[in-house]
Amino acid sequence: DVKVTQSSRYLVKRTGEKVFLECVQDMDHENMFWYRQDPGLGLRLIYFSYDVKMKEKGDIPEGYSVSREKKERFSLILESASTNQTSMYLCASRGTEDEQYFGPGTRLTVT
Amino acid sequence: GENVEQHPSTLSVQEGDSAVIKCTYSDSASNYFPWYKQELGKRPQLIIDIRSNVGEKKDQRIAVTLNKTAKHFSLHITETQPEDSAVYFCAATLQSSASKIIFGSGTRLSIRP
Repeated sequence: DVKVTQSSRYLVKRTGEKVFLECVQDMDHENMFWYRQDPGLGLRLIYFSYDVKMKEKGDIPEGYSVSREKKERFSLILESASTNQTSMYLCASRGTEDEQYFGPGTRLTVT
Repeated sequence: GENVEQHPSTLSVQEGDSAVIKCTYSDSASNYFPWYKQELGKRPQLIIDIRSNVGEKKDQRIAVTLNKTAKHFSLHITETQPEDSAVYFCAATLQSSASKIIFGSGTRLSIRP
């Protein structure tokens, strides 16, 4: 059974703080993704990675960076959190099969 | 760039009736079209998918149709039940080892008792 976990379910940070969101998958998947989900806007892709140390920008990369040092772990970094980054963040992974598996999500509030 | 449009954004149907959600995609190279269901407070999960070499696929009360020429695909749920209430996302992608899935904006389906 594929498991994708995220480091926190809820997170509250202050404007200007550096924020790390961690995602871990246990199925040896090559591809990993970070999305943010906002009402009425669906799932918007921030960054994805198709291999260790490889990354590609998604649709809304501004204000975010990522790190993939190990195959099972994909981190999303907010260098200087802002209030407009308050959102639900979903991590996902996919192997050679088609199905994409999502993590439980991290609801981030920036005050 | 690639784009997937989804309609309607909200849908309310009487229990037992059918529900239809429609999507269009822009990249003619897309060849894999999954549908995800997200129940309240839970993560999105795959419920059905279709590949471009197939026009229709059914799984019990759920069916998906694909029109490659028009670049649109639809989700059909028959005999709707309360547990069908959720947000549904369509998506499109090019099947390959390193590809991203483009999601629609979602449809909130409510089943009225």
